[in-house]
Amino acid sequence: GNSVTQMEGPVTLSEEAFLTINCTYTATGYPSLFWYVQYPGEGLQLLLKATKADDKGSNKGFEATYRKETTSFHLEKGSVQVSDSAVYFCALESRAGGGNKLTFGTGTQLKVEL
Amino acid sequence: DAGITQSPRHKVTETGTPVTLRCHQTENHRYMYWYRQDPGHGLRLIHYSYGVKDTDKGEVSDGYSVSRSKTEDFLLTLESATSSQTSVYFCAIRPLILAGGITDTQYFGPGTRLTVL
Repeated sequence: GNSVTQMEGPVTLSEEAFLTINCTYTATGYPSLFWYVQYPGEGLQLLLKATKADDKGSNKGFEATYRKETTSFHLEKGSVQVSDSAVYFCALESRAGGGNKLTFGTGTQLKVEL
Repeated sequence: DAGITQSPRHKVTETGTPVTLRCHQTENHRYMYWYRQDPGHGLRLIHYSYGVKDTDKGEVSDGYSVSRSKTEDFLLTLESATSSQTSVYFCAIRPLILAGGITDTQYFGPGTRLTVL
């Protein structure tokens, strides 16, 4: 079946530090890959996505590249801000045999300090 | 803002009581989903709906039922709540695109925090 593995948190960084959150996946077919973000007390919001190999998703300074050879979709940001503190979820959707349903990772909490 | 509201936002109940959570959307979306969020598990799909009276099970459907009698409302019912159902419940919708396809992006409601004592 489909699965997503994320690095465990919390990840604590100083403002302006470089961020990487690792995400690897197992899926049948050719999945679409997503990063969702959850700010405290809120629901999830789509941060970025990529639908095929070598695509790069980007938004708000965050980037992730769909790497089929390593089955990875790592999230990066060059300079984090306190306002980036949130929980980040990697997810995939594979239409092969599973319909249009998302499979989520367990989430990685990011804390950014001044 | 995808026009999704959930009610109640917080609920405390006792083991063995029935509980119904409501997801309401204002934009006539066909696809709706219920998830639960638990530490160490991320979000897991409980049930989903692809139209009025059309529903199907997700990966953690035991102990839950759903109903969709109107496009705008998707109800999640715990017939007899247990402590293992203490969780945060999220509703989501998936918009259609032109030509009848569906997007690959889901939009989430604000969540309902349920505590079963």
